[in-house]
Amino acid sequence: GAVVSQHPSRVICKSGTSVKIECRSLDFQATTMFWYRQFPKQSLMLMATSNEGSKATYEQGVEKDKFLINHASLTLSTLTVTSAHPEDSSFYICSAHPRTSGGRGEQFFGPGTRLTVL
Amino acid sequence: DQQVKQNSPSLSVQEGRISILNCDYTNSMFDYFLWYKKYPAEGPTFLISISSIKDKNEDGRFTVFLNKSAKHLSLHIVPSQPGDSAVYFCAAGTDSWGKLQFGAGTQVVVTP
Repeated sequence: GAVVSQHPSRVICKSGTSVKIECRSLDFQATTMFWYRQFPKQSLMLMATSNEGSKATYEQGVEKDKFLINHASLTLSTLTVTSAHPEDSSFYICSAHPRTSGGRGEQFFGPGTRLTVL
Repeated sequence: DQQVKQNSPSLSVQEGRISILNCDYTNSMFDYFLWYKKYPAEGPTFLISISSIKDKNEDGRFTVFLNKSAKHLSLHIVPSQPGDSAVYFCAAGTDSWGKLQFGAGTQVVVTP
């Protein structure tokens, strides 16, 4: 099956530092990758959509200068949380939409990254 | 504006019985619907999907029903097993490139 990895799985950082999270589709090419954020006991909140080779599309209310997204290839997207603050602490999940999905809309999710900002 | 709603935050069901999870949506433009299962501290796992042109899709113990006129879909799990205990998310999309709207999730607990 389609596998998506995320690295790191957990990260603890000091306030003011930047953290990079990688999302990789391991056995398929992804035309589009998505970044979500989940707060405790809440639903997945879509932060941004990234297409390989183009700028990411951010959802309303998400600061593009704070959450930098780079989609370098069809198998790799990165999310950088810049100048992290405690309120950025959350569970960040990426997903990938296969290039060959044929419009079914199926997304494969990574295991998530737990970010804690002290 | 929440376009996909799961009004039941939790569901408890006995092992072997049927679990029925409900989902309502407001956007009539949605082309397809999906159900995902999620364990704590893990990413969601795809379970089953249905196109808007169908009213039922079955895959093993999982069946999804779609009622377009009511803008309602449901997921049936039968028989329920302890390993089914998880949060289930309903999702819907309109784009061929995969952007989805998620419901708030329903926590299912399967008891022995």
